Amino acid sequence: AQKITQTQPGMFVQEKEAVTLDCTYDTSDPSYGLFWYKQPSSGEMIFLIYQGSYDQQNATEGRYSLNFQKARKSANLVISASQLGDSAMYFCAMREGANQGGKLIFGQGTELSVKP
Amino acid sequence: KAGVTQTPRYLIKTRGQQVTLSCSPISGHRSVSWYQQTPGQGLQFLFEYFSETQRNKGNFPGRFSGRQFSNSRSEMNVSTLELGDSALYLCASSLSPAFSYEQYFGPGTRLTVT
Repeated sequence: AQKITQTQPGMFVQEKEAVTLDCTYDTSDPSYGLFWYKQPSSGEMIFLIYQGSYDQQNATEGRYSLNFQKARKSANLVISASQLGDSAMYFCAMREGANQGGKLIFGQGTELSVKP
Repeated sequence: KAGVTQTPRYLIKTRGQQVTLSCSPISGHRSVSWYQQTPGQGLQFLFEYFSETQRNKGNFPGRFSGRQFSNSRSEMNVSTLELGDSALYLCASSLSPAFSYEQYFGPGTRLTVT
């Protein structure tokens, strides 16, 4: 069963506008972490933001915020004031519980294109 | 602080050969994980090391192996290469394997098998 689902293979957004990238997850482990990464065409995975399963508030990092809806198992990434440099692949990922160690489970990704 | 480094960045090998990829984590990070990225399968977890011990392994054949040294540097080895092993291999380091710690990725090694 797919543990991380990103339903938007590709998205377009106008420069300076906000965009939401969707991510749903599936786990029975009460302890988990949710991560978003950006992968430009160069290939390097860049960490953007983290949300823990026990966190009460939504995570924010600069222009990035995570809309965490635990009951719906949803962890959408919101990018405010899009910039041309935001054009890249975006991956949602999950780590389950302390015993699962470093294993990150990734979604299939969303390709974001920012238009001038 | 220097980021995660991976060597080599690009590699071309022939079927049947073996290859060793190297990863140096961020200073102070003791957990190193490896991932394979292909267009068809996406990002898949290979294995994870912490304090020189393999803690977790993904669903890959035994041709894929790895190790971690006392300085936390890690290597992965693929023996008897197949065309399907062509991929971007990404290494990530973390302070701890616990679920709440971020993993920081290196630039990757792009392996082409001909």
